[in-house]
Amino acid sequence: DAGVTQSPTHLIKTRGQQVTLRCSPKSGHDTVSWYQQALGQGPQFIFQYYEEEERQRGNFPDRFSGHQFPNYSSELNVNALLLGDSALYLCASSHLGAGRTEAFFGQGTRLTVV
Amino acid sequence: QQQVKQSPQSLIVQKGGIPIINCAYENTAFDYFPWYQQFPGKGPALLIAIRPDVSEKKEGRFTISFNKSAKQFSLHIMDSQPGDSATYFCAASIEGRDDKIIFGKGTRLHILP
Repeated sequence: DAGVTQSPTHLIKTRGQQVTLRCSPKSGHDTVSWYQQALGQGPQFIFQYYEEEERQRGNFPDRFSGHQFPNYSSELNVNALLLGDSALYLCASSHLGAGRTEAFFGQGTRLTVV
Repeated sequence: QQQVKQSPQSLIVQKGGIPIINCAYENTAFDYFPWYQQFPGKGPALLIAIRPDVSEKKEGRFTISFNKSAKQFSLHIMDSQPGDSATYFCAASIEGRDDKIIFGKGTRLHILP
């Protein structure tokens, strides 16, 4: 089992650009959550996807959007990048239905905005 | 509003010592309290978790103490080893409702050999 995989591992973008980050959940998981972890801080919840719908959202602007595909993989899109968007973006997967599981985190995508 | 407050920010302990990390929460609806361990360049990994109907939980060298009335919980690491050097996060969530995890700001732990 490959666990939660994220791509790319590192990314450098220019202010104002758009970025797409990708996540493949652990086998058997149906739910994907995205977190932003600024340097020296704890992860902050961005949003969660279940059954291809955004189930809930944290306190992030609409520049942050996402998608979940029928195979449960997910994308995080950030438009009009700001310097402050530089962070480690973490994807976590879990199983939300019967026999719910803990959340497993991927290694993250390190985004640097210059 | 920070819903989970964690202290200390950093901690240095001699090998074999017992580092203690403390957390406090505000929302009484939280019903699941996990601790995560994160090594540089890695995502957080679940270490141990507790629910509020239990006052203590042990898994190997890791122990969570939970005080529901004070809305506080803590992590103790027995016989600490240099390999335990990492950043530790306490967290909380409402499992039955929203499942999102609220993290503390983290404690950077260094175990001296």
